[in-house]
Amino acid sequence: AQSVTQLGSHVSVSEGALVLLRCNYSSSVPPYLFWYVQYPNQGLQLLLKYTSAATLVKGINGFEAEFKKSETSFHLTKPSAHMSDAAEYFCAVTWNSGNTPLVFGKGTRLSVIA
Amino acid sequence: DSGVTQTPKHLITATGQRVTLRCSPRSGDLSVYWYQQSLDQGLQFLIQYYNGEERAKGNILERFSAQQFPDLHSELNLSSLELGDSALYFCASSPTSGHTDTQYFGPGTRLTVL
Repeated sequence: AQSVTQLGSHVSVSEGALVLLRCNYSSSVPPYLFWYVQYPNQGLQLLLKYTSAATLVKGINGFEAEFKKSETSFHLTKPSAHMSDAAEYFCAVTWNSGNTPLVFGKGTRLSVIA
Repeated sequence: DSGVTQTPKHLITATGQRVTLRCSPRSGDLSVYWYQQSLDQGLQFLIQYYNGEERAKGNILERFSAQQFPDLHSELNLSSLELGDSALYFCASSPTSGHTDTQYFGPGTRLTVL
């Protein structure tokens, strides 16, 4: 079955350091991939979305992700972490075939240390 | 602010009871999705409605039901509640029926079953 795996339930980085949140998917057909962010006591907000147009996708708040088919990965990065980036991040996948709902990863909690 | 509204924000009830959660989609969006977020299961897709019709079904219990009304707002009904139903329930909306659309999430309803 198609699925998505986020490695690391909790990632901690220093302010100004590189943020790297990992996401791997399994799929036999080309996927659509999403990264969502959830701040405390709020709903999910879209950070960025891959729809096969370009492998490097730029999102909001300085985040970007690169689709690597050979590695079945869609890792999220940001060059320099801010305190305001502390949140839960979810990778999600679906497919443009049939009516497949979004499948979410378990989430990665990002902590930013001053 | 995503434009998706959910009421109530918090709900505390007892086992065996029935509750109704309400969602109003963004203006112009025809699809409404319901998700359950819990610590052990993560974010799980429950059901999707598109323009009043059920479109896709996920891991929704038989005790749960939903509908979408002519004005496109949706209600999720949870009955015979159990302790394990305590969770955050999110509604999301999108313009079309396709799951490759960006989904816009509401702030959620936190349900506590005592």
